[in-house]
Amino acid sequence: DQQVKQNSPSLSVQEGRISILNCDYTNSMFDYFLWYKKYPAEGPTFLISISSIKDKNEDGRFTVFLNKSAKHLSLHIVPSQPGDSAVYFCAASKRGATNKLIFGTGTLLAVQP
Amino acid sequence: NAGVMQNPRHLVRRRGQEARLRCSPVKGHSHVYWYRQLPEEGLKFMVYLQKENIIDESGMPKERFSAEFPKEGPSILRIQQVVRGDSAAYFCASSPTTDSLISTIYFGEGSWLTVV
Repeated sequence: DQQVKQNSPSLSVQEGRISILNCDYTNSMFDYFLWYKKYPAEGPTFLISISSIKDKNEDGRFTVFLNKSAKHLSLHIVPSQPGDSAVYFCAASKRGATNKLIFGTGTLLAVQP
Repeated sequence: NAGVMQNPRHLVRRRGQEARLRCSPVKGHSHVYWYRQLPEEGLKFMVYLQKENIIDESGMPKERFSAEFPKEGPSILRIQQVVRGDSAAYFCASSPTTDSLISTIYFGEGSWLTVV
């Protein structure tokens, strides 16, 4: 039962252009969503998050959008840089779940110079 | 990764042996989480511990797996009688309290277990 889905296993983008990574979820009880970035042989690093009471959160080049009615969120990176090349995981959590995170399967982003 | 230390980074075990993975949380963090990442999959929650207590083990396999976080020393994830399907990356994470923002969960660099 995959409650958090990232349907695109990979994405290739030119340097300077926008990267859009998508994530869908099925559990309407989720109230907090996060994006993590992961390099090979390293642990996930927190990138940006959004509470279910908001529909947008921005931090520098990174913006996360949440569409609760569609149970969909997306991460926008603009402008994309070669150092952004990594696997991006979407994760969700629900109130009272002791910080337990439900992760998607990840999207490998390759930013071409 | 903000000070969560995991060791060993790589571990090779033969089928039937035991694997012990250790995690030292960020100094001052009293909450530890273990996640497992199988090949081509996302991270899956296994267990959440506070000092000397297991709070949520809903993601732990019912047999052969156990975890502890003693009053002194690191958290240990123990896998007895390993099988090939246990080959995975095991990530430990820590946080100060559960009241803190979820974004303050810090992950370690992982322990890669290979069962041959």
